[in-house]
Amino acid sequence: GDSVTQMEGPVTLSEEAFLTINCTYTATGYPSLFWYVQYPGEGLQLLLKATKADDKGSNKGFEATYRKETTSFHLEKGSVQVSDSAVYFCALKNQGGKLIFGQGTELSVKP
Amino acid sequence: EAQVTQNPRYLITVTGKKLTVTCSQNMNHEYMSWYRQDPGLGLRQIYYSMNVEVTDKGDVPEGYKVSRKEKRNFPLILESPSPNQTSLYFCASSFSRSSTDTQYFGPGTRLTVL
Repeated sequence: GDSVTQMEGPVTLSEEAFLTINCTYTATGYPSLFWYVQYPGEGLQLLLKATKADDKGSNKGFEATYRKETTSFHLEKGSVQVSDSAVYFCALKNQGGKLIFGQGTELSVKP
Repeated sequence: EAQVTQNPRYLITVTGKKLTVTCSQNMNHEYMSWYRQDPGLGLRQIYYSMNVEVTDKGDVPEGYKVSRKEKRNFPLILESPSPNQTSLYFCASSFSRSSTDTQYFGPGTRLTVL
């Protein structure tokens, strides 16, 4: 079945460091790909999405490119801030409308 | 403001005592869904609904019921809660089931079953 695998956390970085959180997927057909962020004590917020191959989603300095050839959707940010500390979830939505999540990656940014 | 609301946000109960978690959206979305979040497992879908009076099981439906009598509301019912249902629950909605439509999430309900 369809699935999402993302790198395990926690990830600890210093402020202004470069961030990469790896995400790969397995799916039949043409899923859409999403990154959601969960700040401490809050619900999930959409961070960015891409709906077809080679699309790049971007928001708040975060970027991810839908790579069909490597079945990946890695999240990147050039310079993280303490306020980016959160749990990040990669997800795919398949053609049946089901949203499938990775296990989440906790990011901690230190001043 | 477009949003998904859930109530209560926190609930502590005892084994076997029936409870309902409400979910409401004001975006006229057709598709609604319930998830539970557990450490190391991400979010798993419990039930979903594609429209009024149309519901179906997700990946972990055992011990839960839902109903969709109105488009905006999608309550989650635990008729006889057990400790293994202690979890963080999220309601979500999207315009349709299309793969390109974004699902919007409520703030979550943290449930503890003693």
